[in-house]
Amino acid sequence: KAGVTQTPRYLIKTRGQQVTLSCSPISGHRSVSWYQQTPGQGLQFLFEYFSETQRNKGNFPGRFSGRQFSNSRSEMNVSTLELGDSALYLCASRESGGHEQFFGPGTRLTVL
Amino acid sequence: GQSLEQPSEVTAVEGAIVQINCTYQTSGFYGLSWYQQHDGGAPTFLSYNGLDGLEETGRFSSFLSRSDSYGYLLLQELQMKDSASYFCAVRRDYKLSFGAGTTVTVRA
Repeated sequence: KAGVTQTPRYLIKTRGQQVTLSCSPISGHRSVSWYQQTPGQGLQFLFEYFSETQRNKGNFPGRFSGRQFSNSRSEMNVSTLELGDSALYLCASRESGGHEQFFGPGTRLTVL
Repeated sequence: GQSLEQPSEVTAVEGAIVQINCTYQTSGFYGLSWYQQHDGGAPTFLSYNGLDGLEETGRFSSFLSRSDSYGYLLLQELQMKDSASYFCAVRRDYKLSFGAGTTVTVRA
């Protein structure tokens, strides 16, 4: 099976812009989670989706949103970008009831 | 929220044994997981402890004691390729919370 894929891999934006990141989970995985990774804050949970429903959201402002489609693919959106949003955004998928998260390669977002 | 503490750095020589401790302040979670992340790479799953006790997977072992709010990852027969960051994590309410990570440096 193909692994988790994320697009784009690298992105440069300026403050105030918005960005949409995409994630395709492993085939058959219906659970998709998003994480933000920065040197200062480590790996921070953003959201988890299952069957198009958001099951939990991390402690992030409303500028961060996401959704999941019927084919389990997921997108996250960040509006009104700030310098502090520069980070590696990781997507992970998981089998229903499984403990192992399979991470994608991430999208490296730089906000100038 | 969940709070997990682990040492920031550990350095050891090839062939040595390293233990990375993880203490947590949470309850009602489903189990303790460990992930490895090489520089520039994505985290990869190493192990999961759903019950108290030791789980062994090749050179890596992981332990959990819920009564002590404590777990550890044991890396045996260290190899250069084990140089990476290691994260403990707990899942609760459909949220996976990670520790800050331990950077393991293996020296020849």
